[in-house]
Amino acid sequence: QVQLQQSGPGLVKPSQTLSLTCAISGDSVSSNTAAWNWIRQSPSKGLEWVGRTYYRSNWYNDYAASVKSRITINADTSKNQFSLQLKSVTPEDTAVYFCTRATVVTGILYAFDIWGQGTMVTVSS
Amino acid sequence: DIQMTQSPSSLSASVGDRVTITCRANQGINNYLNWYQQKPGRAPKLLIYAASNLQSGVPSRFSGSGSGADFTLTVSSLQPEDFATYYCQQTYGIPRTFGQGTKVDVK
Repeated sequence: QVQLQQSGPGLVKPSQTLSLTCAISGDSVSSNTAAWNWIRQSPSKGLEWVGRTYYRSNWYNDYAASVKSRITINADTSKNQFSLQLKSVTPEDTAVYFCTRATVVTGILYAFDIWGQGTMVTVSS
Repeated sequence: DIQMTQSPSSLSASVGDRVTITCRANQGINNYLNWYQQKPGRAPKLLIYAASNLQSGVPSRFSGSGSGADFTLTVSSLQPEDFATYYCQQTYGIPRTFGQGTKVDVK
C-alpha cells in the first residue's frame, strides 16, 4: 500500500523559505511510471498544481509559472522522498500543501491517485 | 493554461437523488480528465480517471462520461457519505489544472 507522509513547519515568516518533505512508502521516487507532485489549496485559488519531479532515465521538473522563479522540487533517492522549497514567500502563499503521486492509469494518462495528509502553511510574521 | 469550468458551483440534494456535475475545458483535451471527491479536512480522493473509468474501490453509483471539452460526473443515487466537494482535473497539459469545485450539500 502506497503512502505519502508529509512533514514541515506550519508557520513561515514573509520573505523566508517554505520547506516541506514528503516521505514515500510502498513505491519508489525513482519509479518510471510515476511523477511526484506538490499541489496547494486555498480559498482564493482553489486547488493549484505547483510542480513535479519525475525520473525517466534522468530527473525532470516542471513548475507552475506563478511560482517558477521561487520553487525547487528535489528527489532524495537515499531517503525515498521528495521535497518542496518555495523562496521569498508572501501571505499569498498561505495554503494547505499536499504532496501527491501521479501515476499512469491508462495509456499515457496520469491521475493523482495517492495524496499526503496535507500541511496547512501560514505565511505570517 | 487549460481552464476548467465546473457547473454548478454548488447544489443541494437529498439521499437517493441523481446528481449530475458538468466540467468544461477551454480547449479539447480528448479524455484526459479525472474527477476527485474531497471532504472537509481531507485530501482529494480519485474517483474517475480518463473521463469514464472507475477507480478501484469507488462505488459503481459514480460514473463519468464525455470527451473533447465537455464532461459529466453522475451519482446515480446519492448516499449520505457522498456529500462533499467534487473537482474535475485535466491531465492533458502542463500545468495541471482543476475546476473550481462543486459542493454537494443536504437539501
